[in-house]
Amino acid sequence: EVKLLESGGGLVQPGGSMRLSCAASGFTFTDFYMNWIRQPAGKAPEWLGFIRNKANGYTTEYNPSVKGRFTISRDNTQNMLYLQMNTLRAEDTATYYCARQPGPFDYWGQGVMVTVSS
Amino acid sequence: DVVMTQTPVSLPVSLGGQASISCRSSQSLVHSNGNTYLHWYLQKPGQSPQLLIYRVSNRFSGVPDRFSGSGSGTDFTLKISRVEPEDLGDYYCLQSTHFPQTFGGGTKLELK
Repeated sequence: EVKLLESGGGLVQPGGSMRLSCAASGFTFTDFYMNWIRQPAGKAPEWLGFIRNKANGYTTEYNPSVKGRFTISRDNTQNMLYLQMNTLRAEDTATYYCARQPGPFDYWGQGVMVTVSS
Repeated sequence: DVVMTQTPVSLPVSLGGQASISCRSSQSLVHSNGNTYLHWYLQKPGQSPQLLIYRVSNRFSGVPDRFSGSGSGTDFTLKISRVEPEDLGDYYCLQSTHFPQTFGGGTKLELK
Protein backbone atom coordinates (compact mmCIF):
# COMPACT_ATOMS: atom_id res chain seq x y z
CA GLU A 1 0.00 0.00 0.00
CA VAL A 2 1.35 3.41 -0.98
CA LYS A 3 1.74 5.69 2.02
CA LEU A 4 2.99 9.25 2.29
CA LEU A 5 3.25 10.92 5.68
CA GLU A 6 4.24 14.55 6.10
CA SER A 7 5.69 16.03 9.27
CA GLY A 8 7.41 19.14 10.52
CA GLY A 9 4.70 21.78 10.24
CA GLY A 10 3.64 24.32 12.82
CA LEU A 11 3.89 28.01 13.63
CA VAL A 12 6.81 30.08 12.35
CA GLN A 13 7.47 33.81 12.39
CA PRO A 14 7.66 35.84 9.20
CA GLY A 15 11.18 35.69 7.80
CA GLY A 16 11.80 32.36 9.46
CA SER A 17 12.62 28.95 8.06
CA MET A 18 11.04 25.52 8.30
CA ARG A 19 11.77 22.08 6.91
CA LEU A 20 8.99 19.67 6.07
CA SER A 21 9.52 15.94 5.69
CA CYS A 22 7.55 13.27 3.88
CA ALA A 23 8.06 9.58 4.65
CA ALA A 24 7.22 7.30 1.73
CA SER A 25 6.47 3.59 1.80
CA GLY A 26 4.79 0.89 -0.24
CA PHE A 27 6.51 1.62 -3.55
CA THR A 28 9.95 1.89 -5.12
CA PHE A 29 10.74 5.44 -4.10
CA THR A 30 13.51 6.03 -6.63
CA ASP A 31 11.20 5.25 -9.55
CA PHE A 32 9.00 8.27 -9.01
CA TYR A 33 9.00 12.04 -9.29
CA MET A 34 8.02 13.47 -5.91
CA ASN A 35 6.17 16.73 -5.48
CA TRP A 36 5.24 19.34 -2.92
CA ILE A 37 1.86 21.01 -3.26
CA ARG A 38 0.22 23.48 -0.89
CA GLN A 39 -3.33 24.60 -0.31
CA PRO A 40 -4.37 27.69 1.66
CA ALA A 41 -7.58 27.19 3.58
CA GLY A 42 -10.60 27.42 1.26
CA LYS A 43 -8.50 27.82 -1.88
CA ALA A 44 -7.25 25.66 -4.73
CA PRO A 45 -4.01 23.71 -4.48
CA GLU A 46 -0.77 25.21 -5.79
CA TRP A 47 2.06 23.09 -7.16
CA LEU A 48 5.38 24.12 -5.61
CA GLY A 49 7.86 21.87 -7.33
CA PHE A 50 9.19 18.38 -7.82
CA ILE A 51 12.32 16.31 -7.71
CA ARG A 52 12.71 13.83 -10.52
CA ASN A 53 13.34 10.11 -10.25
CA LYS A 54 16.58 8.16 -10.52
CA ALA A 55 16.24 7.73 -14.28
CA ASN A 56 16.15 11.50 -14.63
CA GLY A 57 18.96 12.30 -12.29
CA TYR A 58 16.95 13.58 -9.30
CA THR A 59 16.87 17.09 -10.77
CA THR A 60 14.38 19.66 -9.54
CA GLU A 61 11.83 22.07 -10.97
CA TYR A 62 10.04 24.82 -9.07
CA ASN A 63 7.08 27.06 -9.41
CA PRO A 64 8.46 30.57 -10.02
CA SER A 65 6.28 31.72 -7.12
CA VAL A 66 8.65 29.98 -4.67
CA LYS A 67 11.85 29.52 -6.64
CA GLY A 68 14.85 30.74 -4.70
CA ARG A 69 13.11 30.44 -1.32
CA PHE A 70 12.06 26.78 -1.33
CA THR A 71 14.32 23.77 -1.93
CA ILE A 72 13.21 20.19 -2.52
CA SER A 73 15.51 17.28 -1.74
CA ARG A 74 15.25 13.56 -1.18
CA ASP A 75 17.08 10.87 0.78
CA ASN A 76 16.67 7.73 -1.28
CA THR A 77 18.28 5.54 1.38
CA GLN A 78 15.53 6.49 3.84
CA ASN A 79 12.66 6.99 1.36
CA MET A 80 12.29 10.56 2.55
CA LEU A 81 11.30 13.75 0.74
CA TYR A 82 12.05 17.20 2.11
CA LEU A 83 10.95 20.78 1.59
CA GLN A 84 13.21 23.48 2.97
CA MET A 85 11.36 26.78 3.18
CA ASN A 86 13.21 30.03 3.85
CA THR A 87 12.21 33.67 4.25
CA LEU A 88 8.66 32.64 5.02
CA ARG A 89 5.80 35.09 4.52
CA ALA A 90 2.24 35.24 5.79
CA GLU A 91 1.02 34.14 2.36
CA ASP A 92 2.93 30.86 2.74
CA THR A 93 0.36 29.83 5.36
CA ALA A 94 -1.26 26.66 4.02
CA THR A 95 -1.56 22.91 4.27
CA TYR A 96 1.43 21.33 2.57
CA TYR A 97 1.18 17.99 0.82
CA CYS A 98 3.71 15.65 -0.69
CA ALA A 99 2.51 13.68 -3.70
CA ARG A 100 3.84 11.00 -5.98
CA GLN A 101 3.82 11.68 -9.69
CA PRO A 102 3.98 9.09 -12.39
CA GLY A 103 1.93 11.39 -14.64
CA PRO A 104 -0.80 12.91 -12.52
CA PHE A 105 -0.31 13.19 -8.74
CA ASP A 106 -1.72 9.76 -7.97
CA TYR A 107 -1.12 9.51 -4.21
CA TRP A 108 -1.01 12.35 -1.71
CA GLY A 109 -0.10 12.51 1.95
CA GLN A 110 -2.60 13.71 4.53
CA GLY A 111 -0.95 17.12 4.65
CA VAL A 112 0.73 19.22 7.32
CA MET A 113 -0.23 22.75 8.35
CA VAL A 114 2.22 25.61 8.24
CA THR A 115 1.23 28.93 9.80
CA VAL A 116 3.41 31.98 9.28
CA SER A 117 2.52 34.59 11.85
CA SER A 118 4.08 36.76 14.52
CA ASP B 1 1.34 30.33 -16.39
CA VAL B 2 -1.54 28.35 -17.89
CA VAL B 3 -4.76 29.55 -16.31
CA MET B 4 -7.34 26.85 -15.65
CA THR B 5 -10.90 28.15 -15.41
CA GLN B 6 -13.52 25.89 -13.87
CA THR B 7 -17.25 26.43 -14.09
CA PRO B 8 -19.49 26.51 -12.24
CA VAL B 9 -17.97 27.47 -8.91
CA SER B 10 -20.88 25.81 -7.08
CA LEU B 11 -23.05 23.00 -8.42
CA PRO B 12 -26.15 21.96 -6.49
CA VAL B 13 -27.28 18.44 -7.39
CA SER B 14 -29.84 15.90 -6.31
CA LEU B 15 -28.80 12.44 -5.26
CA GLY B 16 -29.17 10.15 -8.24
CA GLY B 17 -28.87 13.06 -10.63
CA GLN B 18 -26.14 14.08 -13.06
CA ALA B 19 -23.44 16.73 -12.76
CA SER B 20 -21.16 18.29 -15.34
CA ILE B 21 -18.09 20.41 -14.60
CA SER B 22 -16.18 22.39 -17.19
CA CYS B 23 -12.47 23.17 -17.19
CA ARG B 24 -10.96 25.48 -19.78
CA SER B 25 -7.27 26.26 -20.19
CA SER B 26 -5.68 29.46 -21.44
CA GLN B 27 -3.60 27.49 -23.92
CA SER B 28 -3.68 24.07 -25.52
CA LEU B 29 -2.81 21.19 -23.20
CA VAL B 30 -1.55 18.97 -26.00
CA HIS B 31 2.07 18.13 -25.18
CA SER B 32 4.73 17.93 -27.88
CA ASN B 33 4.59 14.14 -27.39
CA GLY B 34 0.93 14.13 -28.40
CA ASN B 35 -0.48 13.41 -24.94
CA THR B 36 -2.84 15.73 -23.10
CA TYR B 37 -2.04 15.99 -19.40
CA LEU B 38 -5.37 17.06 -17.93
CA HIS B 39 -6.48 15.37 -14.74
CA TRP B 40 -9.42 15.58 -12.32
CA TYR B 41 -9.45 15.36 -8.53
CA LEU B 42 -12.07 15.21 -5.81
CA GLN B 43 -11.33 16.62 -2.37
CA LYS B 44 -13.76 15.54 0.31
CA PRO B 45 -14.03 17.68 3.45
CA GLY B 46 -10.96 17.30 5.65
CA GLN B 47 -9.18 15.02 3.19
CA SER B 48 -6.42 15.23 0.62
CA PRO B 49 -7.38 15.46 -3.05
CA GLN B 50 -7.90 12.07 -4.65
CA LEU B 51 -7.28 11.29 -8.30
CA LEU B 52 -10.37 10.47 -10.34
CA ILE B 53 -9.43 10.87 -13.99
CA TYR B 54 -6.00 11.15 -15.62
CA ARG B 55 -5.06 12.23 -19.12
CA VAL B 56 -8.56 13.51 -19.94
CA SER B 57 -10.56 10.31 -19.86
CA ASN B 58 -8.82 7.50 -17.96
CA ARG B 59 -10.38 6.45 -14.67
CA PHE B 60 -7.90 5.87 -11.84
CA SER B 61 -7.89 2.57 -10.01
CA GLY B 62 -11.07 2.03 -8.02
CA VAL B 63 -12.95 5.00 -9.45
CA PRO B 64 -16.51 4.00 -10.38
CA ASP B 65 -17.67 4.26 -13.98
CA ARG B 66 -20.16 6.93 -12.92
CA PHE B 67 -17.25 9.31 -13.45
CA SER B 68 -16.22 10.14 -16.99
CA GLY B 69 -13.92 12.71 -18.53
CA SER B 70 -13.79 14.12 -22.02
CA GLY B 71 -12.44 17.00 -24.04
CA SER B 72 -9.47 18.13 -26.05
CA GLY B 73 -7.20 21.08 -26.63
CA THR B 74 -8.41 23.72 -24.18
CA ASP B 75 -11.89 22.51 -23.28
CA PHE B 76 -12.56 19.63 -20.89
CA THR B 77 -15.52 18.19 -19.00
CA LEU B 78 -16.02 15.90 -16.03
CA LYS B 79 -19.40 14.19 -15.81
CA ILE B 80 -20.81 12.39 -12.81
CA SER B 81 -23.89 10.29 -13.30
CA ARG B 82 -26.14 8.93 -10.55
CA VAL B 83 -24.60 11.20 -7.92
CA GLU B 84 -24.07 9.52 -4.55
CA PRO B 85 -23.43 11.13 -1.15
CA GLU B 86 -19.71 10.23 -1.28
CA ASP B 87 -19.34 12.27 -4.48
CA LEU B 88 -19.91 15.56 -2.67
CA GLY B 89 -16.92 17.85 -2.22
CA ASP B 90 -14.57 20.06 -4.20
CA TYR B 91 -13.50 19.08 -7.70
CA TYR B 92 -10.30 20.38 -9.28
CA CYS B 93 -8.78 20.03 -12.71
CA LEU B 94 -5.00 20.00 -13.04
CA GLN B 95 -2.82 20.51 -16.08
CA SER B 96 0.67 19.03 -16.09
CA THR B 97 1.52 19.69 -19.74
CA HIS B 98 3.18 23.03 -19.06
CA PHE B 99 5.35 24.38 -16.25
CA PRO B 100 4.32 25.34 -13.69
CA GLN B 101 1.62 22.73 -13.27
CA THR B 102 -1.61 24.53 -12.42
CA PHE B 103 -4.97 23.70 -10.87
CA GLY B 104 -8.38 25.07 -11.63
CA GLY B 105 -10.12 27.17 -9.01
CA GLY B 106 -12.45 24.37 -8.00
CA THR B 107 -16.11 23.42 -8.21
CA LYS B 108 -18.08 22.61 -5.08
CA LEU B 109 -20.57 19.81 -5.65
CA GLU B 110 -23.30 20.08 -3.01
CA LEU B 111 -26.80 18.87 -2.38
CA LYS B 112 -29.65 20.84 -3.84
